[in-house]
Amino acid sequence: DTGVSQNPRHKITKRGQNVTFRCDPISEHNRLYWYRQTLGQGPEFLTYFQNEAQLEKSRLLSDRFSAERPKGSFSTLEIQRTEQGDSAMYLCASSLRIGTSNEQFFGPGTRLTVL
Amino acid sequence: RKEVEQDPGPFNVPEGATVAFNCTYSNSASQSFFWYRQDCRKEPKLLMSVYSSGNEDGRFTAQLNRASQYISLLIRDSKLSDSATYLCVVNTFGNEKLTFGTGTRLTIIP
Repeated sequence: DTGVSQNPRHKITKRGQNVTFRCDPISEHNRLYWYRQTLGQGPEFLTYFQNEAQLEKSRLLSDRFSAERPKGSFSTLEIQRTEQGDSAMYLCASSLRIGTSNEQFFGPGTRLTVL
Repeated sequence: RKEVEQDPGPFNVPEGATVAFNCTYSNSASQSFFWYRQDCRKEPKLLMSVYSSGNEDGRFTAQLNRASQYISLLIRDSKLSDSATYLCVVNTFGNEKLTFGTGTRLTIIP
């Protein structure tokens, strides 16, 4: 499978615990994005990497959230001291920008439930 | 005001009918436009890009009106498999993020 993969697919945790998600982008893609989607809403942008550099962060990304892409390949998203409001689907996407085209390919997501 | 606005629906349409979705965007600097399809509990997948001249892909036609900041998607001869949520998406040149609408939920009825 050459698409974007994410692990785990589901995570249930208790409030206050830390969680970490992993995303493996399409291999030749240099851009990687994290989005969050709650029920009845479209995905909302969280952050993006070009290679290993984190170039943009949304105001949605509080200081409890941190993302890394240490070698410019896979990425991790960590949420510290989880809150019930963090419950959502966390989607990773990757792209290879060519000209003005920015088609992003999404992974299956990690569904987080904070009890 | 949301950057991208869509009617959330739901649209319940008989099989074989034609259905149209509309979307408006507020940022006049938006440069790229897309329709994504999202099945229940699945990830969004690109349905088609939207070009100024309009474009067609089989039963699907997308149009863009830059002056009115308006995007449309037309589905002809709808199939049961078209049931999904359709997300209107815009991107601004120089800005990497995609901005999504809330999505329009479509159900095709046999």
